[in-house]
Amino acid sequence: TQLLEQSPQFLSIQEGENLTVYCNSSSVFSSLQWYRQEPGEGPVLLVTVVTGGEVKKLKRLTFQFGDARKDSSLHITAAQPGDTGLYLCAGEDAGGTSYGKLTFGQGTILTVHP
Amino acid sequence: DADVTQTPRNRITKTGKRIMLECSQTKGHDRMYWYRQDPGLGLRLIYYSFDVKDINKGEISDGYSVSRQAQAKFSLSLESAIPNQTALYFCATSVGDRNQPQHFGDGTRLSIL
Repeated sequence: TQLLEQSPQFLSIQEGENLTVYCNSSSVFSSLQWYRQEPGEGPVLLVTVVTGGEVKKLKRLTFQFGDARKDSSLHITAAQPGDTGLYLCAGEDAGGTSYGKLTFGQGTILTVHP
Repeated sequence: DADVTQTPRNRITKTGKRIMLECSQTKGHDRMYWYRQDPGLGLRLIYYSFDVKDINKGEISDGYSVSRQAQAKFSLSLESAIPNQTALYFCATSVGDRNQPQHFGDGTRLSIL
């Protein structure tokens, strides 16, 4: 069974601060996906990183995939109250025919105070 | 209209009752998944189906069963509900290629008393 450890579980910061969320595993993943979830809704994809060492930017959000494809990080610059939500990382199985199957981290609840 | 629809959105029931949660999709995706979400545990996979004739257990399938009635429909059953099955349940779909996102419904909040 693959495990994906996500940290921190909770983040409470002031508007304008920077933050980083980490996802770590001992397993290699085919890709690492980041989702954001709002209350009363399902998770929605933010980004997929596929290549080891890949960096993707989405406005103030920067996503990185580790060189060995075992870990990933999400960095938010100058956080805003609209960034508040639950952030989830998910690793896709690397081997065999089970691609498409995701293992999720525990999630990070981010609260950005005005 | 939502691409992935879950019914009901909320359900309160008693221990021992049989419950069915339904999921339908208009995305035309072959793959469908059922997850449960608990605080601090993220999303855990219950069952998944890669096509109509394929059903696979996930990491927490005990106490649950599923039925894939058609490409567009995937239902989850709790044969005899117990309180620790109280959780938020999500259905998701995806295409059958690598590195593709999953598309989630808005969830069913299930409470078992």
